[in-house]
Amino acid sequence: QKEVEQDPGPLSVPEGAIVSLNCTYSNSAFQYFMWYRQYSRKGPELLMYTYSSGNKEDGRFTAQVDKSSKYISLFIRDSQPSDSATYLCAMSPGEYQKLVFGQGTRLTINP
Amino acid sequence: DSGVTQTPKHLITATGQRVTLRCSPRSGDLSVYWYQQSLDQGLQFLIHYYNGEERAKGNILERFSAQQFPDLHSELNLSSLELGDSALYFCASSPTGLAGVNEQFFGPGTRLTVL
Repeated sequence: QKEVEQDPGPLSVPEGAIVSLNCTYSNSAFQYFMWYRQYSRKGPELLMYTYSSGNKEDGRFTAQVDKSSKYISLFIRDSQPSDSATYLCAMSPGEYQKLVFGQGTRLTINP
Repeated sequence: DSGVTQTPKHLITATGQRVTLRCSPRSGDLSVYWYQQSLDQGLQFLIHYYNGEERAKGNILERFSAQQFPDLHSELNLSSLELGDSALYFCASSPTGLAGVNEQFFGPGTRLTVL
């Protein structure tokens, strides 16, 4: 069993929809949770960063962490075609430690 | 642009050969991480250097080695290349001296093709 599970999709939604992306994990030591966006053949771009549990909002993006359920989510409001990319969740147990990634979810926003 | 640079962008080579990938971290970042991304394995951690010292190793093959130089740039050396080493190789750097921070910023990657 992988430490981090993420549905690879693909996920296709119409423009303007609310998108929900999720990951589950098994290692209770994870304290830092991140979401990255990766366009085809490009480097992952850090979108959201959360320490421990709770919610964090940045513009159209909201990240949620539920450590009791070992479940993290990323919500994208008013989705745009430019949001079409692969979204990767990542997590680590401590500062300056490796990131463990999910497989990534390929998202397409249709105009 | 994350501020992390990697060269070359693309590398095509033959089995059995040796290549060197180069990474320059963001200004001020002392930590450099190397990751490999393949279709079947996803993004996998290889190795972490902090201010010139190796800090952690992941699933890095013995044929692979890395180092971080005094100017903080890092090199990943891949030798005796096999077809299965074809992948995207990313380096990432993270801020230093900030408690409770573990953000890692990725470079654009080097695409390695072994023929």
